[in-house]
Amino acid sequence: GQNIDQPTEMTATEGAIVQINCTYQTSGFNGLFWYQQHAGEAPTFLSYNVLDGLEEKGRFSSFLSRSKGYSYLLLKELQMKDSASYLCAVRTYSNYQLIWGAGTKLIIKP
Amino acid sequence: DGGITQSPKYLFRKEGQNVTLSCEQNLNHDAMYWYRQDPGQGLRLIYYSQIVNDFQKGDIAEGYSVSREKKESFPLTVTSAQKNPTAFYLCASRGSGDEAFFGQGTRLTVV
Repeated sequence: GQNIDQPTEMTATEGAIVQINCTYQTSGFNGLFWYQQHAGEAPTFLSYNVLDGLEEKGRFSSFLSRSKGYSYLLLKELQMKDSASYLCAVRTYSNYQLIWGAGTKLIIKP
Repeated sequence: DGGITQSPKYLFRKEGQNVTLSCEQNLNHDAMYWYRQDPGQGLRLIYYSQIVNDFQKGDIAEGYSVSREKKESFPLTVTSAQKNPTAFYLCASRGSGDEAFFGQGTRLTVV
């Protein structure tokens, strides 16, 4: 079967660093996406990894290991506005379908 | 501004009624998608369309129908056959790139 696992909820402190993990088991792999979703709003694109390694974009970085079926999203210098759900999604060989994890709700405390 | 628009934001349906959710995009994207989001679950694909006048069932198409008569529009009808329609519905589109763009969502509640 196809499966994506993320922690349900994480808590971190403003100004700190947090790492959100995502593990996947899918029939084929053609890229991994991270999206941010504030409550009741649209998901917005954060990052895309198709090759192993780290992609850095400002305060956010995403890492991929295809051999381990593993990715993480790293958020630095946390701000209160980073409180949101973070969705991991894997694209399989079919270019038109993504398989989504249930999302990780990140709570930032002052 | 280019984007993808869903309406209405909130929708209430009586049992036995059909309702239609609107999704319009002016991004000139060929591919459009409808997802359903329930608490504690990942997004689940209802229907998708890769081109005008063509669409395919996703993982949970039963009780739903769509049309794609225009490139810009991909409305979703939730029929009375859908036994548990209360959910957050998200429409998305994708062009030649990898990123999908989402609308603001419609929250449907059965009353």
